[in-house]
Formats: sequence, structure tokens, C-alpha cells
Amino acid sequence: AQSVTQLGSHVSVSEGALVLLRCNYSSSVPPYLFWYVQYPNQGLQLLLKYTTGATLVKGINGFEAEFKKSETSFPLTKPSAHMSDAAEYFCAVIGNTGGFKTIFGAGTRLFVKA
Amino acid sequence: DTGVSQDPRHKITKRGQNVTFRCDPISEHNRLYWYRQTLGQGPEFLTYFQNEAQLEKSRLLSDRFSAERPKGSFSTLEIQRTEQGDSAMYLCASSLDGDNQPQHFGDGTRLSIL
Repeated sequence: AQSVTQLGSHVSVSEGALVLLRCNYSSSVPPYLFWYVQYPNQGLQLLLKYTTGATLVKGINGFEAEFKKSETSFPLTKPSAHMSDAAEYFCAVIGNTGGFKTIFGAGTRLFVKA
Repeated sequence: DTGVSQDPRHKITKRGQNVTFRCDPISEHNRLYWYRQTLGQGPEFLTYFQNEAQLEKSRLLSDRFSAERPKGSFSTLEIQRTEQGDSAMYLCASSLDGDNQPQHFGDGTRLSIL
């Protein structure tokens, strides 16, 4: 069975500062990992995904994430926060055993201070 | 790519009434998913279709809930005899075949039970 834990329900950074959102996963098989962003009253939008290959994946809006197998983590980072990054971020996992069920974390709300 | 479309965006109804939501997936996507999202939580899986076949239902989906995808295109989610606890955002997503394929989400239907 898969599970996802996002550390910190709220993260606040200053504009221009580093963004780091933490995600730990549990999976009995090699996982597929995703980060999604959700703006108020909207659905989720894919930021980036890891399936196989290079462990550092780049996404939209300057975000990137690194698959850290030994730590079972998939942290999301962005070097310099922008006001428009303020949103809810969700980490998600699928076990690549032919299953389809995506398990989402509880989300981390990012606040960006001017 | 016109995106995933959900209708209505908001639904307010009295307890005990029946409601039906519609989801139009991206046209070439044969997988369709329904999720429920409550405040401060990530989406919770409800059910999944591969073309017109409903392949999995979560235990969250009580017998008051039913979903259909009759022609493998749009889908409907019906809730009968609504209860206060049904108040949530109902999200639809679609994807291509393959577990490493990202899901594309609609903007959701927000259900409020009076």
C-alpha cells in the first residue's frame, strides 16, 4: 500500500527566498511521484512528475523536485519565490504495479510575503 | 486541448435531495476518475473508469453514490438522499492509459448541503 506525508500544513516564505516543501512517501514497489498545485476554487494542475530515469525533475514555473530513494522523499523546491506561487501544493504517489489509484498528501499551503 | 470540464461549478441543495454532477474529460483520454476533497485535505479517490467500464470503487462511495460513463466519454456522479457530510468539492480527472500518466483535473463542483 502507498501513503504520502507532507510535512508542514503551512509554509511561509518571503518573496525571493527559497521554497522547500517536504514530501515523504511509503510504497512497497517503485513509485511514480507527482507534485500538483491548486489555486483557490480551481482543480489541481500538474507541476512535475517522476517516473523513471533522472532523479532530478524540472517542472513548470521554475519548480523542481528530487527523487531521494534512500530517504523515501520527494521534496519540491524553487530557488526564488514569487507572489504568484502562493497556493496549495499536493504530493501524490502511484505504485507502478499496474494500479491506477493515486494517493494524495494532505497538502501544504504556501504563503509568500512581500 | 480544451481541458476537463465539470458542471455545475457550485450546487446548493437541501438535505435529502438528489444531485447529479457531470464531467467531460479531455477527448482522447480513456481513463476518468472521481475524487472528493474536503477543506484542508487532499483529494480522496472515489471511483475510476477505463472507457465505459467502472473498474474500482472506494469504500468511501456508499450505496447512495453512483457513477456512470455510458459511452466512454462524459461521466455523471449522482448522490441520492444527500447528507450534511456530503458537503465537499467533487473533482473529476482524466488521463491517458498508463500509470505514469498524469491526471488532468477539472475545476470541480462544490456541493453545499443546507
